[in-house]
Amino acid sequence: ETGVTQTPRHLVMGMTNKKSLKCEQHLGHNAMYWYKQSAKKPLELMFVYSLEERVENNSVPSRFSPECPNSSHLFLHLHTLQPEDSALYLCASSQDKGRGAFFGQGTRLTVV
Amino acid sequence: EDKVVQSPLSLVVHEGDTVTLNCSYEVTNFRSLLWYKQEKKAPTFLFMLTSSGIEKKSGRLSSILDKKELFSILNITATQTGDSAVYLCAVDINNDMRFGAGTRLTVKP
Repeated sequence: ETGVTQTPRHLVMGMTNKKSLKCEQHLGHNAMYWYKQSAKKPLELMFVYSLEERVENNSVPSRFSPECPNSSHLFLHLHTLQPEDSALYLCASSQDKGRGAFFGQGTRLTVV
Repeated sequence: EDKVVQSPLSLVVHEGDTVTLNCSYEVTNFRSLLWYKQEKKAPTFLFMLTSSGIEKKSGRLSSILDKKELFSILNITATQTGDSAVYLCAVDINNDMRFGAGTRLTVKP
């Protein structure tokens, strides 16, 4: 247990579905992150929230929409995904942006 | 383009061996370099390096950064089967974090 909890652990969704991934941290950190880990590719940073303010990442398609209602919770809203979006989605948090991050266990997403 | 390159991509050793994992980088706005160990899902933070020449140590693991030559190494001495994992190097460049592809280490009994 790292203090970062992600739900669900596994998710299968159709391309027309709308779903949300949830992340919660109990470490008092002020920065939270979404990462995508695809097979045979390096871990990719998708979004950063620092003090609940989002740092834009222009390379992420708009079908991924993050939400950070407070410093302890982070969501990733998904809609009209593609099969190539199937991956492990990892949430992380850190005390101050750029310091060593603690990762959640991830959500294994499969888009069919 | 910012890039982080790890080598080797995979490594198989026997218990008791010493291994050295490499991470080189070419980035703008370098802030720090981080090492993670990933066994099943969640990467586990190992070290953060910001200054050249200062060795960070934790048990059998140690790491050092060379900001002039733009690389870092992660050493593991007296390896154990529990050290088998993917070791990830990441470079923090302000609002982005670039990860290398990782080195898959397998330690055989």
